[in-house]
Amino acid sequence: DAGVIQSPRHEVTEMGQEVTLRCKPISGHNSLFWYRQTMMRGLELLIYFNNNVPIDDSGMPEDRFSAKMPNASFSTLKIQPSEPRDSAVYFCASMGQMNTEAFFGQGTRLTVV
Amino acid sequence: EDKVVQSPLSLVVHEGDTVTLNCSYEVTNFRSLLWYKQEKKAPTFLFMLTSSGIEKKSGRLSSILDKKELSSILNITATQTGDSAIYLCAAIQGAQKLVFGQGTRLTINP
Repeated sequence: DAGVIQSPRHEVTEMGQEVTLRCKPISGHNSLFWYRQTMMRGLELLIYFNNNVPIDDSGMPEDRFSAKMPNASFSTLKIQPSEPRDSAVYFCASMGQMNTEAFFGQGTRLTVV
Repeated sequence: EDKVVQSPLSLVVHEGDTVTLNCSYEVTNFRSLLWYKQEKKAPTFLFMLTSSGIEKKSGRLSSILDKKELSSILNITATQTGDSAIYLCAAIQGAQKLVFGQGTRLTINP
């Protein structure tokens, strides 16, 4: 398996534009997590899915952020409209059903100018 | 609210020193605790701890969980410059939510 795959790896966009981040979890994993990492706040959980269903989205900063998981092999995190304070590295991670570790994608470095 | 707290937030030592990193957790229906190492890119897995008092060991790294104290430690002996990284602790709670601490930034000086 290629591991968790995120795209794009880097994104630079102008304030106000829509940004879509993509994630393909490891096949067979039933939990998927979206995290945001900054120097100031560390690794923050934005939302997680279990069996494609959003379980906890309390970490989503505001209505500008939305996430979907239409099937077991794909998830998106959308920011519309984007703002400079959204600049961060966004990680996707997936985890199997039993007590196993979570595997991370390589992250998307988002810069909003 | 589920919470994981790590200390210290930052640590600078000399090569060869031994370090101990701390992690405490308050999560609903705790299942397991994970340790990760993050260098320039994504966090990579180090240990998973589920049972109290059983040490997990990998080379110079070791970790143990204390469920009574709701805490875990990560020890690194004979540190090397390659151990410089952010060390992250995370708790898996009952609904399979994975909650991370802020991380400890460890710097090993030659």
